[in-house]
Amino acid sequence: GAGVSQSPSNKVTEKGKDVELRCDPISGHTALYWYRQSLGQGLEFLIYFQGNSAPDKSGLPSDRFSAERTGGSVSTLTIQRTQQEDSAVYLCASSLGSERGRGYGYTFGSGTRLTVV
Amino acid sequence: DAKTTQPTSMDCAEGRAANLPCNHSTISGNEYVYWYRQIHSQGPQYIIHGLKNNETNEMASLIITEDRKSSTLILPHATLRDTAVYYCIVRGYNTDKLIFGTGTRLQVFP
Repeated sequence: GAGVSQSPSNKVTEKGKDVELRCDPISGHTALYWYRQSLGQGLEFLIYFQGNSAPDKSGLPSDRFSAERTGGSVSTLTIQRTQQEDSAVYLCASSLGSERGRGYGYTFGSGTRLTVV
Repeated sequence: DAKTTQPTSMDCAEGRAANLPCNHSTISGNEYVYWYRQIHSQGPQYIIHGLKNNETNEMASLIITEDRKSSTLILPHATLRDTAVYYCIVRGYNTDKLIFGTGTRLQVFP
């Protein structure tokens, strides 16, 4: 498709359950990023993938969070044993990555609104 | 990555130019300045980025001072649809990662 696609758009889950959030980046984009945004707050970096390099996981808040990117395309963010503080909008973005440092703008998806009850 | 400082909020009359300042006094020579905006309930939208020279595209202009310690995003003719939070970000040379701050909430009024 023309944009970054995320699914589901909304997810309500019970505390303690695992959830998987999916991101389909723009075709040909080598870089993929996950952020989350709690209500009324700014964007919090979670993880980023660049080509075949090891992902930068420095933003993952705990070991309950993990992400993978299969075949350099689709990415799944998994949250195990969800807690109420995990409630947020999870945003995925993709870009062409950087070329000689210049870099390109990100294109964001519309996000997945996760509510843990 | 260099830290950025932006005003918390600004107002602008519709049709006038909106000038959004950003300070990044610790920026290093190979770090880029990026601007994004986030309209309520939507994902952030890329606006523009630059290194040293002023940049212009269909959305906005980016003016970077000669010492690169500050920049200004200019929306030449603000409309009500430009009401959003505007983020100024400095990106490190060896990374694609962007760290978002709290941004400037721009309110365009009729």
